[in-house]
Amino acid sequence: GAVVSQHPSRVICKSGTSVKIECRSLDFQATTMFWYRQFPKKSLMLMATSNEGSKATYEQGVEKDKFLINHASLTLSTLTVTSAHPEDSSFYICSAREDRGQYFGPGTRLTVT
Amino acid sequence: DQQVKQNSPSLSVQEGRISILNCDYTNSMFDYFLWYKKYPAEGPTFLISISSIKDKNEDGRFTVFLNKSAKHLSLHIVPSQPGDSAVYFCAASLVSGTYKYIFGTGTRLKVLA
Repeated sequence: GAVVSQHPSRVICKSGTSVKIECRSLDFQATTMFWYRQFPKKSLMLMATSNEGSKATYEQGVEKDKFLINHASLTLSTLTVTSAHPEDSSFYICSAREDRGQYFGPGTRLTVT
Repeated sequence: DQQVKQNSPSLSVQEGRISILNCDYTNSMFDYFLWYKKYPAEGPTFLISISSIKDKNEDGRFTVFLNKSAKHLSLHIVPSQPGDSAVYFCAASLVSGTYKYIFGTGTRLKVLA
């Protein structure tokens, strides 16, 4: 089946720094990738939809200058959390879409100290 | 405003018995529904889906039922196995073609041996 990877799986950073999370579709080309955020014991919240070669579409309430998304190729999308703060600590999950469906990455645990 | 709701945060079932997980939605424009299984610190894994033109879809031990008039869907797992213990999310697709998924809050299923 289709595989989506994320890197890193876990990252700890200091407040004020920026963190980049990569999402790759390993065996298929994904024209559309999605970024989700999951708070403890909460639902997966869609943050943005990323299409290759175009600007990401952000959901209401998600700051596009805070969460920079780049979809540079059909197999790679990156999420950069800029000037991270402790409240940005969360579990970030990407998904990639191909014709047969949408496949999720394993997630990245971000902790901002 | 939670458009997709899973009102039971947890459920315990004896091994071999049936597990029934419920999901309610508010937006009648949803046309595609999915169930995902998620282990801690991992991304969701697709289980089964159903289109709004159907009222039942079955795949092995998993059956999803859709009641459009009640805006309700359920996932039946029978027989339940200890390996089924995980958090189950239902998701709804808002409009055909956008592939944006709105997730419920999840139900933690524990299958007791």
